[in-house]
Amino acid sequence: DAGITQSPRHKVTETGTPVTLRCHQTENHRYMYWYRQDPGHGLRLIHYSYGVKDTDKGEVSDGYSVSRSKTEDFLLTLESATSSQTSVYFCATSILAGGYEQYFGPGTRLTVT
Amino acid sequence: QKEVEQDPGPLSVPEGAIVSLNCTYSNSAFQYFMWYRQYSRKGPELLMYTYSSGNKEDGRFTAQVDKSSKYISLFIRDSQPSDSATYLCAMSEDGGSQGNLIFGKGTKLSVKP
Repeated sequence: DAGITQSPRHKVTETGTPVTLRCHQTENHRYMYWYRQDPGHGLRLIHYSYGVKDTDKGEVSDGYSVSRSKTEDFLLTLESATSSQTSVYFCATSILAGGYEQYFGPGTRLTVT
Repeated sequence: QKEVEQDPGPLSVPEGAIVSLNCTYSNSAFQYFMWYRQYSRKGPELLMYTYSSGNKEDGRFTAQVDKSSKYISLFIRDSQPSDSATYLCAMSEDGGSQGNLIFGKGTKLSVKP
């Protein structure tokens, strides 16, 4: 258990509202990732971070932004939530430069109505 | 053609059976190959990883990579009801540190007592 928590665990919000999801880790891992998981698509990378204030886009970054002001926290913001962003969101971390040994959080189930 | 293909199942086997899970891929530059296990409503957890070709064994689990055929497998011996989960393959060119870990959609496995 890599000590990754996500908050909130469940959220229902309305279309057009901003939403921020938080990922917190206690392992001092350098690399952090945000994924979404949808039926028929599997896990897809939204954004990732390779250090404090260092972030980059993933495969499905449109409509999302991230920030990392501390090693332990990685925030994912939906600027204006849409129904297509209804999904389960997972945060992951890794310490190795290779990045393949990723530890996942418990997930946040987001519903946009 | 998707980069990573994985039969979604579901796959149902009796307890004690040998299970074979597979993925095919199209990118010949993939060098790192991983298998994750995901229980229902939980985050994925890393089971095994392999670099380049060959076999790797860990207890009841064996991972095989055939780069010439672009095909990877996970074998589970003496399967147990506790192995019931969704199994995700993942792969990358450089280990994933730059955010480019590509996941299959997962195969749902059910092991019946």
